[in-house]
Amino acid sequence: GQQVMQIPQYQHVQEGEDFTTYCNSSTTLSNIQWYKQRPGGHPVFLIQLVKSGEVKKQKRLTFQFGEAKKNSSLHITATQTTDVGTYFCAGSYSGTYKYIFGTGTRLKVLA
Amino acid sequence: ETGVTQTPRHLVMGMTNKKSLKCEQHLGHNAMYWYKQSAKKPLELMFVYNFKEQTENNSVPSRFSPECPNSSHLFLHLHTLQPEDSALYLCASSHPLRGGNNEQFFGPGTRLTVL
Repeated sequence: GQQVMQIPQYQHVQEGEDFTTYCNSSTTLSNIQWYKQRPGGHPVFLIQLVKSGEVKKQKRLTFQFGEAKKNSSLHITATQTTDVGTYFCAGSYSGTYKYIFGTGTRLKVLA
Repeated sequence: ETGVTQTPRHLVMGMTNKKSLKCEQHLGHNAMYWYKQSAKKPLELMFVYNFKEQTENNSVPSRFSPECPNSSHLFLHLHTLQPEDSALYLCASSHPLRGGNNEQFFGPGTRLTVL
């Protein structure tokens, strides 16, 4: 079946360091979304990538979609304590409204 | 506030009880989703409804029974649950046909404990 794997599971960084989480699908995706979930909160949409090789930036966050549309990454430059939370990717496959979520990467930022 | 509300926020039930979770969205979306979030399997998709029609049932046990009377309301009826069903149940909505992102808006969730 369709699976979306995400690594690493946990990441602790010092404030100011960079952070990257990676997402891989077993099959080609139609599009991929990224969400952030703060501790005790619910997932909040960050971005959607659709095109092969697409790169999008939101301030310190850079999102990439692989050329084969099977992998994606989220990179945060110079992390801040407000970046703490779990980051999920969610992949959609052609012809469905169904999103398969990755296992998430829990980020802790040490001040 | 995301425009998606869920009630109750917390629920404790015995294995022989019958209860229902409610989700309501005020965003004019046509798709609604139920997800289960637990420590072992974060964010498992359970059901998808589009224009009140169920389009996905992700091999969910029959002790979970969804109901979508209209595009704004979604229920999850629970009966004879097991302790391993204890989890955070999240509802989400989106509007896939609208141009742009198919962003899912999540509710705050119902924290369910089965004794």
